[in-house]
Amino acid sequence: DQQVKQNSPSLSVQEGRISILNCDYTNSMFDYFLWYKKYPAEGPTFLISISSIKDKNEDGRFTVFLNKSAKHLSLHIVPSQPGDSAVYFCAAASNDYKLSFGAGTTVTVRA
Amino acid sequence: EAGVTQFPSHSVIEKGQTVTLRCDPISGHDNLYWYRRVMGKEIKFLLHFVKESKQDESGMPNNRFLAERTGGTYSTLKVQPAELEDSGVYFCASSRSRNTDTQYFGPGTRLTVL
Repeated sequence: DQQVKQNSPSLSVQEGRISILNCDYTNSMFDYFLWYKKYPAEGPTFLISISSIKDKNEDGRFTVFLNKSAKHLSLHIVPSQPGDSAVYFCAAASNDYKLSFGAGTTVTVRA
Repeated sequence: EAGVTQFPSHSVIEKGQTVTLRCDPISGHDNLYWYRRVMGKEIKFLLHFVKESKQDESGMPNNRFLAERTGGTYSTLKVQPAELEDSGVYFCASSRSRNTDTQYFGPGTRLTVL
């Protein structure tokens, strides 16, 4: 039973434009959400997180938005750069901090 | 500060054989997690150690999988006997505090069972 879903397996965006990645979850007990970035042959690297008490968190070019009523979060990357090409995983956790991951979205930034 | 390390990076074994994966967490991190990604799907939780104690092993697929963390430092994950469906990438992660800290992942061990 997959509790975190990333329905877009891939996204292609032109360099300099905005990348928007979406994630939906079903477990209302989740209260902490994270985005990880993964390059081939490497482990996931933490990117940004948000607690359920917030609806937005920003770190440089990366912003995560949380809509609790819709059980939806998104990651915005502005502007997109070639080095952003990677697989992005959405993850969620409740108070035990066992992470539940989505299947990932492969982002390709075109020059 | 060294990151999470995992050994080996790749392992190819035949069905029925035994394989042991090792994870060295970041120094000082009491929490250690094992995850697995199968066939390019989502990364799934296997189990969680706090120091040498298993806190949650609800994700372990079956009793062919045995995880240990003697002394609360490095951890091993043994698969015995391995089956075809055990193929995938096994990730280890560690964090200092379970409640507030980010989990830092190792590069993973790619296991192929033939």
